[in-house]
Amino acid sequence: AQSVSQHNHHVILSEAASLELGCNYSYGGTVNLFWYVQYPGQHLQLLLKYFSGDPLVKGIKGFEAEFIKSKFSFNLRKPSVQWSDTAEYFCAVNARGSGNTGKLIFGQGTTLQVKP
Amino acid sequence: EAGVAQSPRYKIIEKRQSVAFWCNPISGHATLYWYQQILGQGPKLLIQFQNNGVVDDSQLPKDRFSAERLKGVDSTLKIQPAKLEDSAVYLCASSLHSGRGQPQHFGDGTRLSIL
Repeated sequence: AQSVSQHNHHVILSEAASLELGCNYSYGGTVNLFWYVQYPGQHLQLLLKYFSGDPLVKGIKGFEAEFIKSKFSFNLRKPSVQWSDTAEYFCAVNARGSGNTGKLIFGQGTTLQVKP
Repeated sequence: EAGVAQSPRYKIIEKRQSVAFWCNPISGHATLYWYQQILGQGPKLLIQFQNNGVVDDSQLPKDRFSAERLKGVDSTLKIQPAKLEDSAVYLCASSLHSGRGQPQHFGDGTRLSIL
């Protein structure tokens, strides 16, 4: 069965610090990878996605993620966080190929708190 | 474009009562998903519709949960009878279709508390 593991449950950073949130998945086949963000009081929004091609993908608000196939990882990074990045971040996977329904498997989420 | 609409935003009921949630997806989106998000966990898929047909309901507790999307647009999710462990946020999401990793667009969710 597919699963997604996010290493950090709660991260506290000061503004301008660099961010890296870990995400590992378990699935033997080809996958699509996503990072979603939920700002306080708002709905889940897509931050970035990886389907194929360049393993370094750039998303909104200066976020990027790198797919490392050999490590089954899709870590999220940002060089310099802002207070407005305070939110909950979810890594998600869906399996590609025939018979796969597009269903997302989510990690448990990481709460990021940025101190001004 | 208008987003995914859900109602109500909050619901408090006692255990063994019944409750229903409503979702209106983004116009033109064929695929609709209901997720359950328990506090401290990521969303878990309960059921997925493609138009008005069920694609995946493998994790839906069918003895108490039911869902329908009769005309391929709006959907309702019902719990009867509710248990304490059903306390969660129920999220509705929609996508244009289910293939090629189409991004899912989420509603604000319904926060359900069971007393």
